[in-house]
Amino acid sequence: GHLVESGGGLVQPGGSLRLSCAASGFTFNEYWMSWVRQAPGKGLEWVANINQDGSEKNLVDPLKGRFTISRDNDKKSLYLEMNSLRPEDTAVYFCARALWFGGFCDSWGPGALVTVSS
Amino acid sequence: DIQMTQSPSTLSAFVGDRVTITCRASQSISDWLAWYQQTPGKAPKLLIYRASFLENGVPSRFSGSGSGTEFTLTISSLQPDDFATYYCQQYNSYPYTFGPGTKVHIK
Repeated sequence: GHLVESGGGLVQPGGSLRLSCAASGFTFNEYWMSWVRQAPGKGLEWVANINQDGSEKNLVDPLKGRFTISRDNDKKSLYLEMNSLRPEDTAVYFCARALWFGGFCDSWGPGALVTVSS
Repeated sequence: DIQMTQSPSTLSAFVGDRVTITCRASQSISDWLAWYQQTPGKAPKLLIYRASFLENGVPSRFSGSGSGTEFTLTISSLQPDDFATYYCQQYNSYPYTFGPGTKVHIK
């Protein structure tokens, strides 16, 4: 599968951003999808996943209420809506195809950098 | 949340060396563990899933073992392309969590 993120950039604290991930090369609506992020110089952090039809979503607790994962199977796209952004949300955000009920990721996009700074 | 630890955090090795990285979970995760390789500026690459299953296309010098709380990733003969950071990840229960990584340097 081929995945490409877009929508990253510089945003002020308290602002919002919507990341998109365009999928190709596989049957998008047959797979769970995930978001994983990596702060500069730091390790990987699992953020969220969503099942094939969007009826099941899981999000790491500290981000609940600020981040929302969604998908549009007709557009073969995955989204991450990020609100009330904080400097500690600065990271590269990776979109990934997930297997085994969203457990592990076998195909990744190159990532989109989100910088939260005034 | 399940905490994942890795040891060592860094290691130096020669090309051709056998390398072993350990990953421990704060509680049993059965065999719901994956290993990834990441080089600077790139996305992670899946190496191993379900603790010991080699992902398609990954060289056979990589192997994984373990269950419960202790797991190992072994590279039987280190190659130049293997100098990277390795992460374990549990997918036994939400939130899924990664280990802090092990950076493999050239000696």
